[in-house]
Amino acid sequence: GAGVSQTPSNKVTEKGKYVELRCDPISGHTALYWYRQSLGQGPEFLIYFQGTGAADDSGLPNDRFFAVRPEGSVSTLKIQRTERGDSAVYLCASSKEGGTEAFFGQGTRLTVV
Amino acid sequence: AQSVAQPEDQVNVAEGNPLTVKCTYSVSGNPYLFWYVQYPNRGLQFLLKYITGDNLVKGSYGFEAEFNKSQTSFHLKKPSALVSDSALYFCAVRAVFGNEKLTFGTGTRLTIIP
Repeated sequence: GAGVSQTPSNKVTEKGKYVELRCDPISGHTALYWYRQSLGQGPEFLIYFQGTGAADDSGLPNDRFFAVRPEGSVSTLKIQRTERGDSAVYLCASSKEGGTEAFFGQGTRLTVV
Repeated sequence: AQSVAQPEDQVNVAEGNPLTVKCTYSVSGNPYLFWYVQYPNRGLQFLLKYITGDNLVKGSYGFEAEFNKSQTSFHLKKPSALVSDSALYFCAVRAVFGNEKLTFGTGTRLTIIP
């Protein structure tokens, strides 16, 4: 596609439920990043994939968060047992191999009620 | 550890005046530096980057930024502000060598007053 696509754009879920957020990167981009942006804050790094493997998952806040990229393209961020504090905008970005700048999607706004 | 400071939460500038949005950074080794802009209910849009070479870099929409290694700064500038420049601006840094994660500042809300 022309840009990074994230679905859904909005997700409301009940506390304790499981959610999946999807990211479709720019075609041909090998690197994929997930960030979380809370209200009034800058984006915070969660995890970075190079191809299919997670090269750096140091930003995942706890073991309720997990992400996969099985075929080196689409990625899914999975959150188990959601908590109200997980409410934020989840941003995905991708960059080409050897590239420096990352291109961001529009984000998924997650609200846990 | 790497970090970015944007000391101003809010900057107000009259239309037609020059604008500056400040950014300082901390990183091990040489930096890659970036500015992104965020409009309401939109994702982050890339504006410009410093990789190497000329300290003054030019980007989209007439914006430019000056890399100053001794002051570890990367301030965003524009000679003449437009009302349409009103948005949230984020500075970001990553190390040239090492992990590729971007670290962002907390953002500066720029308001251009007609």
